[in-house]
Amino acid sequence: DQQVKQNSPSLSVQEGRISILNCDYTNSMFDYFLWYKKYPAEGPTFLISISSIKDKNEDGRFTVFLNKSAKHLSLHIVPSQPGDSAVYFCAASAIEGAQKLVFGQGTRLTINP
Amino acid sequence: SAVISQKPSRDICQRGTSLTIQCQVDSQVTMMFWYRQQPGQSLTLIATANQGSEATYESGFVIDKFPISRPNLTFSTLTVSNMSPEDSSIYLCSVEGYSGSFTDTQYFGPGTRLTVL
Repeated sequence: DQQVKQNSPSLSVQEGRISILNCDYTNSMFDYFLWYKKYPAEGPTFLISISSIKDKNEDGRFTVFLNKSAKHLSLHIVPSQPGDSAVYFCAASAIEGAQKLVFGQGTRLTINP
Repeated sequence: SAVISQKPSRDICQRGTSLTIQCQVDSQVTMMFWYRQQPGQSLTLIATANQGSEATYESGFVIDKFPISRPNLTFSTLTVSNMSPEDSSIYLCSVEGYSGSFTDTQYFGPGTRLTVL
């Protein structure tokens, strides 16, 4: 039972354009969501998070949108840069804050020059 | 943020043997977490390790297979016991990150890539 789903295994975007990564979840108890970036041979690096009391959170080039009624979140990267090429994981937690994280399968983002 | 190191970074083991993975963090933390990432899969939480208490295992993971130690606030070990090829995975430790008193993220180590022949 995959509670957090990233249905796009890969995404290719032109440098300078917007990258949009999507994530769906099924557990209505999830109330905290995070995005991580992972380079090969490294551990995941935290990017941005959002609590269920919000529908948007921004940090520089990264914005996360949460649609609770649709159980959907997305990560927007604007503008996309070559260094953004990595695997992106969304994660969710049903416990206060970032504990007992449930991860999606990841989306491999490639930024083309 | 926290700086986390893991040893070994990778290993190739024979089936039936055991491997202990070490996780060291540069600051004192209450909770440490162990994850597994099987090939092509997402990260799956194995257990939560609090200093001074028994680790709490997630469904599908048992202490006999994945014993965990947490001797102090900066160190933990995960042992993969009686290994089979299905245990071939990347094993990652992580620690909680705080904003005030709120756990707002987890910081991850670089992972240990295990191959079981």
